[in-house]
Amino acid sequence: DAGITQSPRHKVTETGTPVTLRCHQTENHRYMYWYRQDPGHGLRLIHYSYGVKDTDKGEVSDGYSVSRSKTEDFLLTLESATSSQTSVYFCAISTRGRDRTEAFFGQGTRLTVV
Amino acid sequence: SQKIEQNSEALNIQEGKTATLTCNYTNYSPAHLQWYRQDPGRGPVFLLLIRENEKEKRKERLKVTFDTTLKQSLFHITASQPADSATYLCALPESGSASKIIFGSGTRLSIRP
Repeated sequence: DAGITQSPRHKVTETGTPVTLRCHQTENHRYMYWYRQDPGHGLRLIHYSYGVKDTDKGEVSDGYSVSRSKTEDFLLTLESATSSQTSVYFCAISTRGRDRTEAFFGQGTRLTVV
Repeated sequence: SQKIEQNSEALNIQEGKTATLTCNYTNYSPAHLQWYRQDPGRGPVFLLLIRENEKEKRKERLKVTFDTTLKQSLFHITASQPADSATYLCALPESGSASKIIFGSGTRLSIRP
């Protein structure tokens, strides 16, 4: 999995509680992404980062925040979890360059909000 | 806003035949397009990238074409095998932000023996 570790791999949480998912990379890639994957919707971008402390919103960012204080770590926080945030979350990394623009994905985190 | 469309219906192919998957996009002209494979319970895995100035790219039994006029990419697997069964996703950089990679919803491919 190209040196990407997501934690936790599975989590069940209650509605209204905050949740933080962690993505850790050992590749020193500049770009990091958080996606969610739901049946019928494919992968949807939540937030991404183009450097330490540099982040931007994706298409489904409402209810989520991110932080990147170190190159290797990208945290996704659900400030107050809702049942609609039950999903599989994937972290990805990439490095831009003429021949290396592809994304490498982590194993995913299955989050259930009850 | 731009949109990526892949055939949402599963594709069932007899082993040995060529599987062809389609990716259509709208509203802009990306500099490149990528294809990924995803197996159940796993993250997507990069397969191929094709640039706007490339008409075709091959890797072993895989072939990708990129028609910027039609705004379409075709992904072919020749001599398909049951092990090729998976979901295949196309992806491209978002308009105006080359580092944002957005994905289609994927097409599930099943190869029957």
